[in-house]
Amino acid sequence: QVQLVQSGAEVTKPGASVKVSCEASGYTFTNYVIHWVRQAPGQRPEWMGWINADNGNTMYAQKFQARITITRDTFARTAYMELSSLRSEDTAVYYCSRDYHIVTARSQGSGDYFHHWGQGTLITVSS
Amino acid sequence: EIVLTQSPATLSLSPGEWATLSCRASQSVDRYLAWYQQKPGQAPRLLIYDASNRATGIPARFSGSGSGTDFTLTISSLEPEDFAVYYCQQRRDWPLGFGGGTNVESK
Repeated sequence: QVQLVQSGAEVTKPGASVKVSCEASGYTFTNYVIHWVRQAPGQRPEWMGWINADNGNTMYAQKFQARITITRDTFARTAYMELSSLRSEDTAVYYCSRDYHIVTARSQGSGDYFHHWGQGTLITVSS
Repeated sequence: EIVLTQSPATLSLSPGEWATLSCRASQSVDRYLAWYQQKPGQAPRLLIYDASNRATGIPARFSGSGSGTDFTLTISSLEPEDFAVYYCQQRRDWPLGFGGGTNVESK
């Protein structure tokens, strides 16, 4: 079965960077896009960006453009999300999520729904 | 940026009753809208995509309808496990975005 296993919770200081990993199993890693979505306490989910696990192409939400980097390691079947210049408002649970549609369907206009999810990684930014 | 507004904020119902949840977009999203269920401490779960298609393994009591700016999620005959927060999400334009959620609570 499809599983996404994320790295553990972190407490970090304002101005620092954090890198969260997401290890995939149970499907062909390069056949899907991986999204990153965060959710602050009591708030709606917020999409941050995605990576095409096949070709490494990325798309970021403009809000995070200047300080987010999403990468992947196809041999390790793992996607990574690094967020820099952290502030207290970045305190949230960060999720990776596999897209519902296979990458080849994106050329036909499908994609960008969040199907399988990791367990979430709580990032706390506090001085 | 497309804004999604969900109503009502809270829906108080009993098991066996029907639930009707609304999601309104600030501009047309065609049919590029999904619905998710989220329980406390869990990740969201995809229920419906492209307005009316049930995701794999989702029970038939969940149905979606609508197009353009107005969408509805209907849960026929609520089961105890259906009490949760429901979010809509659009993929018509960047950034992908979610509505503010409807909390379906047990009366």
